[in-house]
Amino acid sequence: GAVVSQHPSRVICKSGTSVKIECRSLDFQATTMFWYRQFPKKSLMLMATSNEGSKATYEQGVEKDKFLINHASLTLSTLTVTSAHPEDSSFYICSARAFGRHSSYNEQFFGPGTRLTVL
Amino acid sequence: AQTVTQSQPEMSVQEAETVTLSCTYDTSENNYYLFWYKQPPSRQMILVIRQEAYKQQNATENRFSVNFQKAAKSFSLKISDSQLGDTAMYFCAFGFSQGGSEKLVFGKGTKLTVNP
Repeated sequence: GAVVSQHPSRVICKSGTSVKIECRSLDFQATTMFWYRQFPKKSLMLMATSNEGSKATYEQGVEKDKFLINHASLTLSTLTVTSAHPEDSSFYICSARAFGRHSSYNEQFFGPGTRLTVL
Repeated sequence: AQTVTQSQPEMSVQEAETVTLSCTYDTSENNYYLFWYKQPPSRQMILVIRQEAYKQQNATENRFSVNFQKAAKSFSLKISDSQLGDTAMYFCAFGFSQGGSEKLVFGKGTKLTVNP
């Protein structure tokens, strides 16, 4: 199957600093990547859709100036949490869309997630 | 708006037995996909099974099968011969196209524990 990596897997930062999380598709090209946020014991909430070479599309209620997304290549998307605060502490998961070989649906493959803790 | 409801926050089953996880959804879309994802303690999301809405035949993947009732908007997951490694959070998800991009809407999850 297709492999997606995330770096770092865990990060702790001070309030007010910015944190960058990378999402890479290792063995396929992904024109579209997705960023999710998962609170403890909660479901995944889509934050934004990242499109290679164009601006990201944010879901309603997600601050685009707080969560900067850059999709500069077909294998890399980054999420930068700017001026992080304790309420931004969460588990962030990315996924990359791969064209299905056996289906018309473009399947999403998920990264292992990044645990962000803001002190 | 699409919604996915999983009414069982937690379930447990004995090893080798069968368990069924429930999922209902609400949508006005005609073309969509339904998924069950597994999230073990490692937090890595793993696709368990997928169902195309236009197919009447229920999807099956080894010990995993679904009961897809389109009219009732129900999509349950049956795990046969449960194994200890099946212990995980299970998320039901609804996939649809919006603005040229496929999106996923997840339910709140069911925590499944397989007991030895």
